[in-house]
Amino acid sequence: DTGVSQDPRHKITKRGQNVTFRCDPISEHNRLYWYRQTLGQGPEFLTYFQNEAQLEKSRLLSDRFSAERPKGSFSTLEIQRTEQGDSAMYLCASSSFGSGNQPQHFGDGTRLSIL
Amino acid sequence: DAKTTQPNSMESNEEEPVHLPCNHSTISGTDYIHWYRQLPSQGPEYVIHGLTSNVNNRMASLAIAEDRKSSTLILHRATLRDAAVYYCILRPLQGAQKLVFGQGTRLTINP
Repeated sequence: DTGVSQDPRHKITKRGQNVTFRCDPISEHNRLYWYRQTLGQGPEFLTYFQNEAQLEKSRLLSDRFSAERPKGSFSTLEIQRTEQGDSAMYLCASSSFGSGNQPQHFGDGTRLSIL
Repeated sequence: DAKTTQPNSMESNEEEPVHLPCNHSTISGTDYIHWYRQLPSQGPEYVIHGLTSNVNNRMASLAIAEDRKSSTLILHRATLRDAAVYYCILRPLQGAQKLVFGQGTRLTINP
C-alpha cells in the first residue's frame, strides 16, 4: 500500500500528558498537511510543509502544538499538556508540488481521546 | 477563503443517479472547484476537480455552470459504498494550499 500512513490509529491519554503522532506521506509527494476534525465537523487546517519547510500555520495551532518534518519525508505532530478540547481526529495529507489543482491524499487519521 | 454552500443531507436509492449541488457565488476566476468525500471512519478522499469545463473520471462527473457560481457532482449509478459526506471546496490556482472544508452533504443510499 503506497497511500498516506498514520500511526497510531487511536490514542487515549490523560489530560496533561504529551502525545506525538506520525505521518508517512506518499513517497514522491513533497507537500504534507495536518488537519484536525471534531465530531460532525469538516476537517480544519492546522499546518503544511513543503519539503522540510513549514510554510503555513493556522491560528488553531496553539503554542502547545508543534509539527516537524525533519528530512522532508515523514512528519510528526506533538501536543504538549493535552486538554479535553484536543480530543479529535488528526488527519495527515500529502500532495505533489503544483498549483491549486493538485489533489491531496489523506490518511485515515489518528483519533485522540483525552480522559 | 471563498465560501461554498451545500445541502446538509441528501438521500437516494441504490443504482440510481445522484446529483449533489454546490453554490459558490463568490468564486474568483482562478479558483478550482474540488470535490472530496469522506466515508465513515476514513480520511477524506479526492473525487474530482474542474475549472470551467465539465469533467468526467471513473468515480463521478462534475458539471459546472456557465457563470461558475454553482456546480453539481454527479454519481451516475450510486452504490451503498457511495454513502459518505461530500465536500465541495474552492482552491485558488496560486497561493494558499490548504483545503477549507465546510459542513458538506451527508449522502444516504437506500438499498
